[in-house]
Amino acid sequence: EVQLVESGGGLVKPGGSLRLSCAASGFTFSSYSMNWVRQAPGKGLEWVSSISSSSSYIYYADSVKGRFTISRDNAKNSLYLQMNSLRAEDTAVYYCARDTGVNRHFDYWGQGTLVTVSS
Amino acid sequence: SYVLTQPPSVSVAPGQTARITCGGNNIGSKSVHWYQQKPGQAPVLVVYDDSDRPSGIPERFSGSNSGNTATLTISRVEAGDEADYYCQVWDSSSDPLYVFGTGTKVTVL
Repeated sequence: EVQLVESGGGLVKPGGSLRLSCAASGFTFSSYSMNWVRQAPGKGLEWVSSISSSSSYIYYADSVKGRFTISRDNAKNSLYLQMNSLRAEDTAVYYCARDTGVNRHFDYWGQGTLVTVSS
Repeated sequence: SYVLTQPPSVSVAPGQTARITCGGNNIGSKSVHWYQQKPGQAPVLVVYDDSDRPSGIPERFSGSNSGNTATLTISRVEAGDEADYYCQVWDSSSDPLYVFGTGTKVTVL
């Protein structure tokens, strides 16, 4: 059974940093691109970042470019999101999601972890 | 950037058919995917590649895509179908690469 479990969310002050993790199991992690998608309270879904299976290709939404860094450790079946210079508008539930690689959609999602940026 | 527009809400009686539209410039040339999200839960893929269903998704969920509009159709609506629904496309020439629609709240009367 495919499982994605996020962790690392919490309350952080504006300008602070946080590192999210996503532990994957039930599939060959190293064969899939992975993504972070977020959802602000009461709002819609927003794609944040994507990393290819071997980390060769990395992409970011303009809203986080230069502040967030996506990475992965295939030996540990883990995905990460380092978030720096956090702003109030980064407050959201952050989901990790597996990319099918074919026509680029997300077939499995984690349960999400809440990041709150507030003083 | 590429924009996907959905109606904010759709209301439907049990047993009837709900149709949720997703509008985008020449969206018919792209593959459209649909997600269902219930309160407090992660999104679930219900239709991919315009009209295919993942295993475990009822046949009541179907999709189509042509011109400037993609449509998710839920037949014989049940109370358990009440949720938010999002369309999504991937566009290599867009920023962001993955674009979600604005979302539609389906209410079962």
